[in-house]
Amino acid sequence: DSGVTQTPKHLITATGQRVTLRCSPRSGDLSVYWYQQSLDQGLQFLIQYYNGEERAKGNILERFSAQQFPDLHSELNLSSLELGDSALYFCASSPPHGYGYTFGSGTRLTVV
Amino acid sequence: AQKVTQAQTEISVVEKEDVTLDCVYETRDTTYYLFWYKQPPSGELVFLIRRNSFDEQNEISGRYSWNFQKSTSSFNFTITASQVVDSAVYFCALSITSGTYKYIFGTGTRLKVLA
Repeated sequence: DSGVTQTPKHLITATGQRVTLRCSPRSGDLSVYWYQQSLDQGLQFLIQYYNGEERAKGNILERFSAQQFPDLHSELNLSSLELGDSALYFCASSPPHGYGYTFGSGTRLTVV
Repeated sequence: AQKVTQAQTEISVVEKEDVTLDCVYETRDTTYYLFWYKQPPSGELVFLIRRNSFDEQNEISGRYSWNFQKSTSSFNFTITASQVVDSAVYFCALSITSGTYKYIFGTGTRLKVLA
């Protein structure tokens, strides 16, 4: 167990639907990062939160949004899902000084 | 802009052979970190090594070794006496230290070790 918990592990949903992916960071880590791993785009950075505030944005679609709550867990919301959103979504957390991620085991999203 | 190139898409070797996975990176920052991760068929990302830009010492950990050369912007990974359990996708990643610590990943190299 890496200390970063992602739920659910697998998710199958239909096009047009909305899903929420959840991430609990490792104890003491303030930063949460979301990454998408798809067949055609590889591993891509989506967004980072630090202690509840958005710190950096990557190639995140407007249909996607995220937030980090006061208890530091984070949620990634994906709406109006398309077939191309099928991917493995990873969450990672890091301590205040930044380097040294811990990745969660990922959520595999399948859009049918 | 930062970039990581793993030119080898897939490598197949026979068990006990040595294999080197190449990683070339681009950044204008003087302070950065380089990483290697292993992704087995189960899908999780397994951390292998972190190296900062000021430490060019090569590192060996069991059958794994890493060669960091700033002069060629490369951070290559060698597995000695490969085993079937080494079969996985291996990712090289770059992280700069200004502002965010996001990772830029290479496209990965799929290693198949045949018995």
